[in-house]
Amino acid sequence: QKEVEQNSGPLSVPEGAIASLNCTYSDRVSQSFFWYRQYSGKSPELIMSIYSNGDKEDGRFTAQLNKASQYVSLLIRDSQPSDSATYLCAVDRSNDYKLSFGAGTTVTVRA
Amino acid sequence: DVKVTQSSRYLVKRTGEKVFLECVQDMDHENMFWYRQDPGLGLRLIYFSYDVKMKEKGDIPEGYSVSREKKERFSLILESASTNQTSMYLCASKTGDKQYFGPGTRLTVT
Repeated sequence: QKEVEQNSGPLSVPEGAIASLNCTYSDRVSQSFFWYRQYSGKSPELIMSIYSNGDKEDGRFTAQLNKASQYVSLLIRDSQPSDSATYLCAVDRSNDYKLSFGAGTTVTVRA
Repeated sequence: DVKVTQSSRYLVKRTGEKVFLECVQDMDHENMFWYRQDPGLGLRLIYFSYDVKMKEKGDIPEGYSVSREKKERFSLILESASTNQTSMYLCASKTGDKQYFGPGTRLTVT
């Protein structure tokens, strides 16, 4: 089992719709969870971090965490063509400096 | 803003060559990381450093070494480049629990 798994995609959504990205992780003691956005040919950029169960909202982005289910998600509301990118889920490894990354989900927003 | 720079955006080397990839951060961060990114495999950790002259192996250290002589600079070394080391190499610097990435080096080994 991979440490971090994401829905493989690609995910295509129309402009203005909600894009829903899912991530599960295997290390039950993980405490910190991150979403990175990576445009084609660019490096990953941190867009959200979440540490507690529940929802965290930042503009059009909402991260959701459920530690009991070992599940973290990212919702993109009112999707825009500029949101077209690969989204990487990252999970800390028991606070030993390192992160484990999922393979990413590619999102395409259709105008 | 955190700034992480890498010495080259694109690099082409021949099999057997020794290759140096440089990474510099300007925020006095203690922790720095080297990853490679391949399609379908995501980011995989090669090495990381939590202080000057301190280093630890990541998940895929074979064929690589690192050097950290100064806090701001973390170098990845391919001792004898092979074609299976063709990849995108990403350096990251960490503050708190957040990692910030450099622009990446696309290395092709022929």
